[in-house]
Amino acid sequence: ETGVTQSPTHLIKTRGQQVTLRCSSQSGHNTVSWYQQALGQGPQFIFQYYREEENGRGNFPPRFSGLQFPNYSSELNVNALELDDSALYLCASSKQGTDTQYFGPGTRLTVL
Amino acid sequence: AQKITQTQPGMFVQEKEAVTLDCTYDTSDQSYGLFWYKQPSSGEMIFLIYQGSYDEQNATEGRYSLNFQKARKSANLVISASQLGDSAMYFCAIPYGKSTFGDGTTLTVKP
Repeated sequence: ETGVTQSPTHLIKTRGQQVTLRCSSQSGHNTVSWYQQALGQGPQFIFQYYREEENGRGNFPPRFSGLQFPNYSSELNVNALELDDSALYLCASSKQGTDTQYFGPGTRLTVL
Repeated sequence: AQKITQTQPGMFVQEKEAVTLDCTYDTSDQSYGLFWYKQPSSGEMIFLIYQGSYDEQNATEGRYSLNFQKARKSANLVISASQLGDSAMYFCAIPYGKSTFGDGTTLTVKP
């Protein structure tokens, strides 16, 4: 196990709703990255947080937003959910200055 | 911009045999790292092996080794003595900057 935890494990929402996903990073890690993984595809980078600031963003619209807290845990918020937002959402923690990211078990979001 | 290409959507290997999973990449950075991750059906992404662009030796971690050919921009993963538990999806990635993953290769190990 990596020590990275995510909650909830599964979530079902309807189109137009809002959702918050949570991630606790591995001890000693100060950087959190979020990914969206559609079925049968590789993870797509959403954004990264370092010291409570966004530190890089992929090609996702502004309705995908995040937060990082002083204890380095993080939230991913998605507003105005669309059917295509159905995916596995992965968070990964790392130490700034190192490349190795350690992943949590993911949150599987279904949008109906 | 970074790009990772994994050209083998699915691979089969007999138990105890070796298998090579292909990965080619493109990056404009001079210094970079290449990673391989394993994703079982449970969904968790498991770090396997890392190769730095300036490393002179190919990386090895137990049964995993990386065949790194910088001039060809390839970083193939070799799994020796395949086990049934190796059946999973495997991703090649450059996970920094705008982290980039390939589309993965599904490996099935046959008994």
